Amino acid sequence: AQSVTQLDSQVPVFEEAPVELRCNYSSSVSVYLFWYVQYPNQGLQLLLKYLSGSTLVKGINGFEAEFNKSQTSFHLRKPSVHISDTAEYFCAVSERAAGNKLTFGGGTRVLVKP
Amino acid sequence: GAVVSQHPSWVICKSGTSVKIECRSLDFQATTMFWYRQFPKQSLMLMATSNEGSKATYEQGVEKDKFLINHASLTLSTLTVTSAHPEDSSFYICSAFRRTSGSNEQFFGPGTRLTVL
Repeated sequence: AQSVTQLDSQVPVFEEAPVELRCNYSSSVSVYLFWYVQYPNQGLQLLLKYLSGSTLVKGINGFEAEFNKSQTSFHLRKPSVHISDTAEYFCAVSERAAGNKLTFGGGTRVLVKP
Repeated sequence: GAVVSQHPSWVICKSGTSVKIECRSLDFQATTMFWYRQFPKQSLMLMATSNEGSKATYEQGVEKDKFLINHASLTLSTLTVTSAHPEDSSFYICSAFRRTSGSNEQFFGPGTRLTVL
């Protein structure tokens, strides 16, 4: 079984400042890794995913994440945030050989201040 | 492409009644759909995997007789909360799995907020 830990439950950040959201996972097998964003009262939207290949993954809205196998991490970054980036962010993993079930982290609430 | 809808978007019901929530993949066929539950300020918890033409697979601790799942077609899965009680109040989110040659991905619906009085 796998687990996902998002180390920060809330991250306040000023507009145009950089932000990093931390995600660590635990699994005994190879995994796929995902970051989703959820706006209030809405479903989830995929920001980016790591399946294989380059460990630096670029996603939508200027976000990127880096897969670090030795540290079992998949941290999300954005160099300059906007007010519209205020949302909840979820890191998720799925085991490669176990179908497509996702295990989510606890979420990180990003509040962008003007 | 890859749009998933849910209906209704919100519902309020009396304790003891049953509520049906629909999840549709609008522009692709999905042999597998997933149902999640999300409490306020918490993460998504997988409730069950819905497979077209077969019985759903429930996660540990989820009562299959309380949360009835039907996946009758390649574009529709329904979740029925039977004899709902206030503790069933939550945000229910479905996702539809699309398998392509390039990548496999779950596409999420907008969610249904259930309030049981």
